[in-house]
Amino acid sequence: AQSVAQPEDQVNVAEGNPLTVKCTYSVSGNPYLFWYVQYPNRGLQFLLKYITGDNLVKGSYGFEAEFNKSQTSFHLKKPSALVSDSALYFCAVRDRNVGFNKFYFGSGTKLNVKP
Amino acid sequence: SAVISQKPSRDICQRGTSLTIQCQVDSQVTMMFWYRQQPGQSLTLIATANQGSEATYESGFVIDKFPISRPNLTFSTLTVSNMSPEDSSIYLCSVEVSGRFAEAFFGQGTRLTVV
Repeated sequence: AQSVAQPEDQVNVAEGNPLTVKCTYSVSGNPYLFWYVQYPNRGLQFLLKYITGDNLVKGSYGFEAEFNKSQTSFHLKKPSALVSDSALYFCAVRDRNVGFNKFYFGSGTKLNVKP
Repeated sequence: SAVISQKPSRDICQRGTSLTIQCQVDSQVTMMFWYRQQPGQSLTLIATANQGSEATYESGFVIDKFPISRPNLTFSTLTVSNMSPEDSSIYLCSVEVSGRFAEAFFGQGTRLTVV
């Protein structure tokens, strides 16, 4: 069965420090992996995706994520956090080998960046 | 990308009534989906809106409770029928577009409160 785990409900970092939001996944085949961000009272916004190729994926707003097949992880990172990065972050996976490859979302991680 | 307009943005409804949520996209899209999100929690797929045919519902969701229409490639509606307080949630429209492989775009959501 397909699933996504975000082990941290909340991550707190100081502005200017690096941040990591963790994500691990389980799919029966090869995954497509995504990160989305949700600001209060807004829909989800696409940040980045891994489809194939380079394991390090760069996305919007200076975020990046590294696909690690052996650890089945896709952690989101940013070298220097901004207060404006404070939001709810969702990791998602699609199984490319499944005919109707719907999204499976993690439970979300609330990122708090303090000045 | 796609610009998704979802209406209404929020509503407060009496139990036993029904609410229809509209999702309008500014371009033709291949797939449209409806999700439910409890505040601060993850997304649950309700159904896939199929153009010209009945929607495909996920386990736990039925057509009598959540009838969906998709008359063309840019528009869909979700109705929440015979509402109870347990239906209080955020409802999100999502689409996939050609040229943005495997990505999903989301509307801003409809925040529904049933009293």
